[in-house]
Amino acid sequence: GENVEQHPSTLSVQEGDSAVIKCTYSDSASNYFPWYKQELGKRPQLIIDIRSNVGEKKDQRIAVTLNKTAKHFSLHITETQPEDSAVYFCAAKFNQAGTALIFGKGTTLSVSS
Amino acid sequence: NAGVTQTPKFRILKIGQSMTLQCTQDMNHNYMYWYRQDPGMGLKLIYYSVGAGITDKGEVPNGYNVSRSTTEDFPLRLELAAPSQTSVYFCASSRGFNSGSLAKNIQYFGAGTRLSVL
Repeated sequence: GENVEQHPSTLSVQEGDSAVIKCTYSDSASNYFPWYKQELGKRPQLIIDIRSNVGEKKDQRIAVTLNKTAKHFSLHITETQPEDSAVYFCAAKFNQAGTALIFGKGTTLSVSS
Repeated sequence: NAGVTQTPKFRILKIGQSMTLQCTQDMNHNYMYWYRQDPGMGLKLIYYSVGAGITDKGEVPNGYNVSRSTTEDFPLRLELAAPSQTSVYFCASSRGFNSGSLAKNIQYFGAGTRLSVL
C-alpha cells in the first residue's frame, strides 16, 4: 500500500551543524511533499513544501530537495540552533487519496549548544 | 482569529462509551482534516472534508464518523470506544491543497484532544 519511510528516527547535532532528514515514498504519481515541525506538546506546523515539478526549494536555513526518479525527498537544515529541536514529519500526497497526506513516522532532532 | 479550536482538551472514556470531539475554525477554510497521533507513529488521517456536505475516508476511518454541515465545524464521532482509540487527536484546516502557493497549503492544527479509553 501507500507508504512513506522516514530516516533517521532520531538525530543529534551540535549547534551550527547541518541536519538532513530523508524520506522515501511508494507512489511514483505523488506530486506534493510537505514537511511539518512539532515541538514538544505543541501542534504540528508546516515549515516548507515542494511540488513534483520542482527539484529544490529553499527558505532561509531550510531547504527541501526532491528526486522523483528515486522517489525520495530530503529536508536540509543548515546552521542549526537549539530552537530547531523538535520532531519533524515528512508527508506525501498519493494520487489515489484525494487531498489526503500520508505521513512518515517522524524524526526527533536534538540540537545541543 | 482564534484559528482552529478543539474541545475537549482531555477526556477519559470507558470501553463502549461514545463521544464527539468538536472542531471549529474561523478562517473560512474549505478543507478540514482529522488526524490521530500515536507515540512514534506520526500522524494518521482519519477523515477529511473538502467543503460543507462533503467528507471522505482517510487511512484509519474504522470506528469513527464525521459530518460537515457548515464550513466552520467538523465534529468527529467515536462510537463504542475501544482501547485502540487511545490517542491524541488533531483537527486541522487549510485554505487549499497542493497549490503553487505555500500559504494556501498550510494546514493549521488545533491544540489537540488527548483521549484515553480504559
